[in-house]
Amino acid sequence: GAGVSQSPSNKVTEKGKDVELRCDPISGHTALYWYRQSLGQGLEFLIYFQGNSAPDKSGLPSDRFSAERTGGSVSTLTIQRTQQEDSAVYLCASSTSRVRGYTFGSGTRLTVV
Amino acid sequence: GQQLNQSPQSMFIQEGEDVSMNCTSSSIFNTWLWYKQDPGEGPVLLIALYKAGELTSNGRLTAQFGITRKDSFLNISASIPSDVGIYFCAGISNFGNEKLTFGTGTRLTIIP
Repeated sequence: GAGVSQSPSNKVTEKGKDVELRCDPISGHTALYWYRQSLGQGLEFLIYFQGNSAPDKSGLPSDRFSAERTGGSVSTLTIQRTQQEDSAVYLCASSTSRVRGYTFGSGTRLTVV
Repeated sequence: GQQLNQSPQSMFIQEGEDVSMNCTSSSIFNTWLWYKQDPGEGPVLLIALYKAGELTSNGRLTAQFGITRKDSFLNISASIPSDVGIYFCAGISNFGNEKLTFGTGTRLTIIP
C-alpha cells in the first residue's frame, strides 16, 4: 500500500487478556520498528527488524511483550496478560534506508480496563 | 539509554510569529530528524539532516545539524494555524542499528 497500515486502530481489552497488534509496512521496506507512546509523552522504542537479521528487542519492557515479522513484511506485536500500564498508542514505522527517513502508521490505541 | 532533551516543552504563540525549538544530547548522533505529529496520527517526517553543520529548509521550516553532532534546532517562520501540533526531534547514533531515539516533544499552540 501507499503507507504503513496498522490494525486495529483502537483496542479495548480487559486486564489479563492477550492482544495482538498488526503492522503492514510499505512494500519493499526492509526495516520495521515498533514504538510506544503514552499519553502526552514521547516515543519509546520497543523493537526493530532489519531484513533477515536478528531483531533488536532491547526496548521491550517485559517478557510479556513479543513481536515477529513474517516473510520480511507484516509484523505482529503481542502483549500477553495485559496490564493497565500497557495502555498507550503503539506505533509502527518502516524504512528502506536512513536517507528517506521513517514512515509511521497512525497507530493502535490500546486501552486496558 | 540515550536521551534527547527537547525544549521548550510547549509554546503559545500568535499567528505570524516565528518559532524556534531545539534538541540536545549527551552523545553524538549521525542523523537528526524532525517530525510533526497531529492528534490521532503517527509522526510525519519534516526534515532530515545527515552532516554536521548542515542547514536544510523545507518551505517555512529550517533545521540545522549542530557542529558537535550533539544538538539540532528547528525554526518555523511566519506560523500559520496548521502548524499546531507536537514536534519531535529524533536521532540515529550509528549506521549498524538505525534505531530512532526521540525527544520528548514540543507542543505548539497558536493563540487566536
